[in-house]
Amino acid sequence: GAVVSQHPSWVICKSGTSVKIECRSLDFQATTMFWYRQFPKQSLMLMATSNEGSKATYEQGVEKDKFLINHASLTLSTLTVTSAHPEDSSFYICSARNSGSSLTGTQYFGPGTRLLVL
Amino acid sequence: LAKTTQPISMDSYEGQEVNITCSHNNIATNDYITWYQQFPSQGPRFIIQGYKTKVTNEVASLFIPADRKSSTLSLPRVSLSDTAVYYCLVGPYNTDKLIFGTGTRLQVFP
Repeated sequence: GAVVSQHPSWVICKSGTSVKIECRSLDFQATTMFWYRQFPKQSLMLMATSNEGSKATYEQGVEKDKFLINHASLTLSTLTVTSAHPEDSSFYICSARNSGSSLTGTQYFGPGTRLLVL
Repeated sequence: LAKTTQPISMDSYEGQEVNITCSHNNIATNDYITWYQQFPSQGPRFIIQGYKTKVTNEVASLFIPADRKSSTLSLPRVSLSDTAVYYCLVGPYNTDKLIFGTGTRLQVFP
């Protein structure tokens, strides 16, 4: 149980285009999902908190107009990188907390999406 | 959230026990300690969580001293497949916001 999927697993795009990444909780409902970014050899950095039915909460320094987040249902959140540039190339990971979990603060992570902007 | 400090890297050999210690001097009364494992190009995976004393599951053990200012993740008889980055996180009950530190890069040799 508690499986989170991401699609696509990797994507290559041209500079200036937009890329949408999907995050799904497959066997549980998640009112809140999270988006992280990880550069090579570095730790995960929280970008934003995605709330079902409301606006996302962005961390300081993350441009909300560039990284559009939509939490359309209890099992789906999407991250759209708009007008992508080479510096946006990174590993994007989503997570969701199973509200029914007995483990405090346990989040289940997706497999990640590697984005390469040429 | 309490800041954590871990060794940047550790080396071990197959079959050995590995202990990774995390310091969290500013841990609050309602903070829990959680460890995640991350393989290259994958999302982190929950390993174990505890509040005090000792917690054990099928994968690892977590030792937490009485003052809770540190914790030790113990991996028994590691194998090559345990080569990964291990993150120690500390946060309040039911926290949603996870702040990852640098983690410990464990390399297991044959």
